[in-house]
Amino acid sequence: DGGITQSPKYLFRKEGQNVTLSCEQNLNHDAMYWYRQDPGQGLRLIYYSQIVNDFQKGDIAEGYSVSREKKESFPLTVTSAQKNPTAFYLCASRGRGASTEAFFGQGTRLTVV
Amino acid sequence: AQTVTQSQPEMSVQEAETVTLSCTYDTSESNYYLFWYKQPPSRQMILVIRQEAYKQQNATENRFSVNFQKAAKSFSLKISDSQLGDTAMYFCAFMGGSARQLTFGSGTQLTVLP
Repeated sequence: DGGITQSPKYLFRKEGQNVTLSCEQNLNHDAMYWYRQDPGQGLRLIYYSQIVNDFQKGDIAEGYSVSREKKESFPLTVTSAQKNPTAFYLCASRGRGASTEAFFGQGTRLTVV
Repeated sequence: AQTVTQSQPEMSVQEAETVTLSCTYDTSESNYYLFWYKQPPSRQMILVIRQEAYKQQNATENRFSVNFQKAAKSFSLKISDSQLGDTAMYFCAFMGGSARQLTFGSGTQLTVLP
């Protein structure tokens, strides 16, 4: 089945440790996005990529890093520089064409203790 | 940069009634696209409806329709014959410009009451 997969669903990390969230899609989509969701703040864009080996910062990129070495994969690293990393993280992908919808993964809930 | 504003954090509606969710946006782009997404308690994001800014006709998908007012930069969602399964968080989203950045509003939590 075609889709976008995020793993793991729940992730616990100690404060000060870097952690990488996985996002894989087999939809042959060019564009991929990472969002952070906090209560009452909707979805805030962290990073996005329109093509392999290229990505742009979103509105809240500080403390995060990404890579796009393969079309199918867009991992997000939450670094120790992110002051409040506990949140729900959503990955999305879109095909070509300006009006195409974004497809979302099921999300990763990261808790830093 | 574009911004999307949803001014109703929470709304409720009786089953079978009609409800309208508001969304406004700010952009200098002339060509863009607008979306409404639904996020039920499972937290899976689901596309409800989309609107191309160059189309004057309002989009409709079964019980869901939009009122798109380009000059006012307004994009409201009307849900007719509300059903219990419509209970969810609803997000308005904007995409425009060459960067194709997809920007979301803060969401409206809709509860359909039996």
